[in-house]
Amino acid sequence: KQEVTQIPAALSVPEGENLVLNCSFTDSAIYNLQWFRQDPGKGLTSLLLIQSSQREQTSGRLNASLDKSSGRSTLYIAASQPGDSATYLCALTGGFKTIFGAGTRLFVKA
Amino acid sequence: EAGVVQSPRYKIIEKKQPVAFWCNPISGHNTLYWYLQNLGQGPELLIRYENEEAVDDSQLPKDRFSAERLKGVDSTLKIQPAELGDSAVYLCASSLVQNTEAFFGQGTRLTVV
Repeated sequence: KQEVTQIPAALSVPEGENLVLNCSFTDSAIYNLQWFRQDPGKGLTSLLLIQSSQREQTSGRLNASLDKSSGRSTLYIAASQPGDSATYLCALTGGFKTIFGAGTRLFVKA
Repeated sequence: EAGVVQSPRYKIIEKKQPVAFWCNPISGHNTLYWYLQNLGQGPELLIRYENEEAVDDSQLPKDRFSAERLKGVDSTLKIQPAELGDSAVYLCASSLVQNTEAFFGQGTRLTVV
């Protein structure tokens, strides 16, 4: 059974800092891994999707990596801004099921 | 292009009452998902549709929850009767086909009192 863990559960950083969010999983037989952003009271916004055959994806200040052998993915946010404050969730799809982590709550201080 | 649309955004009902949520997926998306999200947790799948067929409803509490996806487009999720523990956010998502990028609606926040 796939288990997804996100560490840390919460993170507070000053504006401008580069940061890394972690996602670990137990079953490497996956189709893809997706990172989402969720603002309070809102739905999920897709940030990046990494296919099983890929190692990383980039979009603007975001870079996501995937290492299936170690069961880990990281989301790197460069030059963080107060507008980046949100909860970030990773989700793994495999065997036609998608399992989410509990998320990391990020607060970027101005 | 419109994203996934859900209604209502908020619903407050008394326990034992029925409630229904509606979802309109992105046009052309064959796969539709209903998720439940409790505070501080990630979403958990309730049911997945491929067109009009429910292909995974193993996590749906069938004694009180039901869902349908008429004509393989819009979908409704119903709870009857609602219990206090059903208070949560109900999210709908769609993807072009299974195992591809999923797009989420804004969710319906249900409060059962």
